[in-house]
Amino acid sequence: GAVVSQHPSRVICKSGTSVKIECRSLDFQATTMFWYRQFPKKSLMLMATSNEGSKATYEQGVEKDKFLINHASLTLSTLTVTSAHPEDSSFYICSARWLASSYNEQFFGPGTRLTVL
Amino acid sequence: GQSLEQPSEVTAVEGAIVQINCTYQTSGFYGLSWYQQHDGGAPTFLSYNALDGLEETGRFSSFLSRSDSYGYLLLQELQMKDSASYFCAVFSGGYQKVTFGTGTKLQVIP
Repeated sequence: GAVVSQHPSRVICKSGTSVKIECRSLDFQATTMFWYRQFPKKSLMLMATSNEGSKATYEQGVEKDKFLINHASLTLSTLTVTSAHPEDSSFYICSARWLASSYNEQFFGPGTRLTVL
Repeated sequence: GQSLEQPSEVTAVEGAIVQINCTYQTSGFYGLSWYQQHDGGAPTFLSYNALDGLEETGRFSSFLSRSDSYGYLLLQELQMKDSASYFCAVFSGGYQKVTFGTGTKLQVIP
């Protein structure tokens, strides 16, 4: 199956710093990547949809100036949490939709656990 | 807006069959997917239904009724490793919009 990687898997940072999370599709081209956050024992909340070469579409309530998304190529999307605060601590997961897939399958990365002190 | 409802918890015995229901409200519906997530892990894709009816993949089957805005995931011959959270997700807006359900925590007991 298709593989999506995320880096880093865990990050601890001080309040006020910025953190960049990378999402890569390793063996396929992803026209669309999705970014989610998930709180403990809760569902995945879609933050934004990212299409290669265009601006990301953010969900209502998600601050686009705080969560910067860049989808520079068909295999890489990045999420930068700017001026992070403790309330940004969460599990961030990306997924990628395969260009050639007619089955509408999303492949999820392993997630990044962000802890802001 | 979009909303999906699932039971929060289900407990079933090893070897048995369990059904997890999902009801949804959405506009521009394209399809319904199911995902499995073990604690601390990422979701993994289980199935996708765009048309009414039952889709079978090994021990797992998924059903969709578009007219009833309802679907379910059926797990047969339950194994202990099936203990996980199961999420339904609705695709709309040309597959650009994905909304996940609240998740159902399945506990399989001996």
